[in-house]
Amino acid sequence: EAQVTQNPRYLITVTGKKLTVTCSQNMNHEYMSWYRQDPGLGLRQIYYSMNVEVTDKGDVPEGYKVSRKEKRNFPLILESPSPNQTSLYFCASSGVNYEQYFGPGTRLTVT
Amino acid sequence: AQKVTQAQTEISVVEKEDVTLDCVYETRDTTYYLFWYKQPPSGELVFLIRRNSFDEQNEISGRYSWNFQKSTSSFNFTITASQVVDSAVYFCALSEAREGGSEKLVFGKGTKLTVNP
Repeated sequence: EAQVTQNPRYLITVTGKKLTVTCSQNMNHEYMSWYRQDPGLGLRQIYYSMNVEVTDKGDVPEGYKVSRKEKRNFPLILESPSPNQTSLYFCASSGVNYEQYFGPGTRLTVT
Repeated sequence: AQKVTQAQTEISVVEKEDVTLDCVYETRDTTYYLFWYKQPPSGELVFLIRRNSFDEQNEISGRYSWNFQKSTSSFNFTITASQVVDSAVYFCALSEAREGGSEKLVFGKGTKLTVNP
């Protein structure tokens, strides 16, 4: 089954404690992205990757890092999380048909 | 810059009513893709439709239909005979068409649809 998986699905953490949200896709897609969703703001892109070792900033990259060492994985790293990064995060991948497949979401709370 | 506007923040209807969700977009590209996604209360994003900028044919899928009008930069979504299970947040999104696949979707802020029994 074609899918994008994210882990963890829910995470509560404290300010400053480094965390990583993993994302993996099994569709051999070159393009992967991270979005955050906040009430009243919709979804905004954080980072994207066009291929292995190729990443670029989206609209709201501050406070986040990504890496793309393998085609299937695209982890999102928060080196020093802050309360304003409390959000719902989605990973997505897309192929040549331009349809973006989204993961189930990760609900992060930073206290 | 690309922009997607969903002017209706919330809509409430009674079951079996028809409802139209509006979407207006801005882009300078001649080639682009438009999408609708559904986000039910469980939180996942469910793909509904993709339309490219060269295909202005309206589409119908069961109770769902989409009206794409390039002249007014609109891509409206109509649910016929709405049901309680249609209650969700609906997002319209725009993507530039780049060789090899999309890099970014620009989303509208969403319309929350509540269908009451």
